[in-house]
Amino acid sequence: EAAVTQSPRNKVAVTGGKVTLSCNQTNNHNNMYWYRQDTGHGLRLIHYSYGAGSTEKGDIPDGYKASRPSQENFSLILELATPSQTSVYFCASGLGLGGSQNTLYFGAGTRLSVL
Amino acid sequence: AQSVTQPDARVTVSEGASLQLRCKYSYSATPYLFWYVQYPRQGLQLLLKYYSGDPVVQGVNSFEAEFSKSNSSFHLQKASVHWSDSAVYFCALSRRGSALGRLHFGAGTQLIVIP
Repeated sequence: EAAVTQSPRNKVAVTGGKVTLSCNQTNNHNNMYWYRQDTGHGLRLIHYSYGAGSTEKGDIPDGYKASRPSQENFSLILELATPSQTSVYFCASGLGLGGSQNTLYFGAGTRLSVL
Repeated sequence: AQSVTQPDARVTVSEGASLQLRCKYSYSATPYLFWYVQYPRQGLQLLLKYYSGDPVVQGVNSFEAEFSKSNSSFHLQKASVHWSDSAVYFCALSRRGSALGRLHFGAGTQLIVIP
């Protein structure tokens, strides 16, 4: 079973502050993803990465940056946090290139509240 | 473009009753299809997936789903639910041949099992 670990699990931030959400995967997957979950919307893709050094915009990238310094680590950065970014954030990893029929493995989530 | 629709935001059933959670997709070709489950305060876990062959696929905890190309559907079923099945269920789609391997999610269906 793929292992994806997110930190922190819970975060309270102030409006205008900088927030960094971290994700680590130990299965040497090429692809990593950041999703946010909001009631009525399911999961929406923010950023993704094909491998170390690459980041790409997903469907809702505004207000977010991403960083993939290594195969194992993928961070989501909120430079100027706003209350609209209050949500639950999920990191996921997958082989990519159709491997395992694109099955993704998810972390436990980070609950972010921006006050 | 592709999309996933889960028409029921919430489903309530009695323990021991049968269950069907509906999922409709929109995509020009045959996609990979998934059902994920999310227990409270946890990440998403894979229940089952369809990629080819027999349209009825078996998953964990006696769940199964049936792919219908003619109806563009992938409904989840269980013959007899248990109170521990209470969770949020997500249907998702992935495009074949995509290097990105991203999942497109429905909004989710909350299942409430009454003991």
